[in-house]
Amino acid sequence: DTAVSQTPKYLVTQMGNDKSIKCEQNLGHDTMYWYKQDSKKFLKIMFSYNNKELIINETVPNRFSPKSPDKAHLNLHINSLELGDSAVYFCASSQVGPVGGKITGELFFGEGSRLTVL
Amino acid sequence: GEDVEQSLFLSVREGDSSVINCTYTDSSSTYLYWYKQEPGAGLQLLTYIFSNMDMKQDQRLTVLLNKKDKHLSLRIADTQTGDSAIYFCAEMDTGNQFYFGTGTSLTVIP
Repeated sequence: DTAVSQTPKYLVTQMGNDKSIKCEQNLGHDTMYWYKQDSKKFLKIMFSYNNKELIINETVPNRFSPKSPDKAHLNLHINSLELGDSAVYFCASSQVGPVGGKITGELFFGEGSRLTVL
Repeated sequence: GEDVEQSLFLSVREGDSSVINCTYTDSSSTYLYWYKQEPGAGLQLLTYIFSNMDMKQDQRLTVLLNKKDKHLSLRIADTQTGDSAIYFCAEMDTGNQFYFGTGTSLTVIP
């Protein structure tokens, strides 16, 4: 069973379109994240979300919005796609609250979704 | 966000040791991590160290933490071609936010 799964793995679309990337985790974690990895492999946090709090990186354009239908899912919706949005988007999850008194904190990543905007 | 810096590239010969370095600015880090990313794949955790530890060894991997200098290193003994990948250091702060380094691309020459 894949712990963190994302779909689609590849997405090619035209500038100006709206698209979504889906993410699901079956680890029972309470926090999920979206990261953007650019062509230089730099990894930047976009959002972190648990059922209590959404933390947004202030550099992320408001064309990007996370949507969480339940604790196991965090989807990424992007409006009016631009050329600069082309990147690999990674979903991740972690259990940062204490489990049995021990805080783990390890991030589990999905395989990534490569978005190409033409 | 916090700054986490790494050198971008490292080349070593097969069988030699590799040392990947990382510096960070957040003095309140709780955990520090090393992740490995192979081509076309997501990041996978290699090892981690709690901030009150100086060293952790796990088979071919040795992590050293100098908290005073905010310096973290990963040593891979007997480096193999399968170790070629991008290695990211990361730190988790007291607010449970993760900050990743720029990544070091390790190339192992046969």
